[in-house]
Amino acid sequence: AQSVSQHNHHVILSEAASLELGCNYSYGGTVNLFWYVQYPGQHLQLLLKYFSGDPLVKGIKGFEAEFIKSKFSFNLRKPSVQWSDTAEYFCAVKGGSNYQLIWGAGTKLIIKP
Amino acid sequence: NAGVMQNPRHLVRRRGQEARLRCSPMKGHSHVYWYRQLPEEGLKFMVYLQKENIIDESGMPKERFSAEFPKEGPSILRIQQVVRGDSAAYFCASSLGGSNQPQHFGDGTRLSIL
Repeated sequence: AQSVSQHNHHVILSEAASLELGCNYSYGGTVNLFWYVQYPGQHLQLLLKYFSGDPLVKGIKGFEAEFIKSKFSFNLRKPSVQWSDTAEYFCAVKGGSNYQLIWGAGTKLIIKP
Repeated sequence: NAGVMQNPRHLVRRRGQEARLRCSPMKGHSHVYWYRQLPEEGLKFMVYLQKENIIDESGMPKERFSAEFPKEGPSILRIQQVVRGDSAAYFCASSLGGSNQPQHFGDGTRLSIL
């Protein structure tokens, strides 16, 4: 069965620190990969997605993610975080022609000003 | 606001009552998905609908839960005879097409059962 694992449930960083949030998935076939962000009191927003092509994907607000097929990973990165990045981040996977998004449990990111 | 609209944002029900959650997809979107998020967990797929059709309800509990997406009007997720364990955030997403289109999410409805 497909599953998504996010390594950390809570991450606390200071402003300007570098960020890497881990995401590993289990699925044997072609996958589409997503990172969503949920700011406090707001709806889920798509940060970035990978369907095919360049495994290094650039998203909004300076975020990027790298798809490493051999490691079944799609880690989210940002070189220098800001206080406004405080939010919950979700990794999600969709198998090939499937439509169901399989979600990780989320990582709550708190940025100290 | 051209995004996915869910209402109400918060819904409180007593055990045994019915809960109705509404979702209006983004303009032009004909595919709707419902997900449930229990505390400290990720979202779990419930049901996928297109206009007047349930495509996949494999994530729906077998009893008390139903969903529809009529030709006119919003998609409705209905929970009959609610129990404490139904307390969760229910998210609706819509997409333009099927598997290759990203899903856009609403704000969610937080259901609390007293």
